[in-house]
Amino acid sequence: KNEVEQSPQNLTAQEGEFITINCSYSVGISALHWLQQHPGGGIVSLFMLSSGKKKHGRLIATINIQEKHSSLHITASHPRDSAVYICAVSMDSNYQLIWGAGTKLIIKP
Amino acid sequence: GAGVSQSPRYKVTKRGQDVALRCDPISGHVSLYWYRQALGQGPEFLTYFNYEAQQDKSGLPNDRFSAERPEGSISTLTIQRTEQRDSAMYRCASSLGTSGVPYFGPGTRLTVT
Repeated sequence: KNEVEQSPQNLTAQEGEFITINCSYSVGISALHWLQQHPGGGIVSLFMLSSGKKKHGRLIATINIQEKHSSLHITASHPRDSAVYICAVSMDSNYQLIWGAGTKLIIKP
Repeated sequence: GAGVSQSPRYKVTKRGQDVALRCDPISGHVSLYWYRQALGQGPEFLTYFNYEAQQDKSGLPNDRFSAERPEGSISTLTIQRTEQRDSAMYRCASSLGTSGVPYFGPGTRLTVT
């Protein structure tokens, strides 16, 4: 069983839809990261959180430490949001990022 | 520059040759990481530096791989006697500290023929 699991693996939606990507983890963590990888390959950090909720523009990330679960939400989705979204965790004992498999999101106009 | 830079962006080399991949982190970032990403897969940790000290090299696949960061800034990942299985995207990331947000470079796409 992977230490970080994401769902869904693939998601196709229409422009304007509300998007939710889920991440569950099985280890103790110091922080959880959401990252975006564009078709061109670049990786961008979206959020790093250890509790509660963070918002940046149309993106919202939440984490429930007790349930070991995080969600990434995109409101009013747009074709430019199409990318692979990756959940990764860092542990207290180890600075390595443990990566989820990613969710490939396609937003159709 | 404002971000993490890597060079070269693309490298094609023949099997058996040595390659050196460079990472220039954001100025002032103490932590530097190297990752490798095969096509269609998530990044795989290779090694970590805190300033110039290589604190974790557990992810380096074998002794053909080495990395250095002699002055605590620019880092070089060297692969000796390259093999086809070394073909991948090699990514560098830096952060202010181990608990900081990682900033990723654009990667070096290595192809071993």
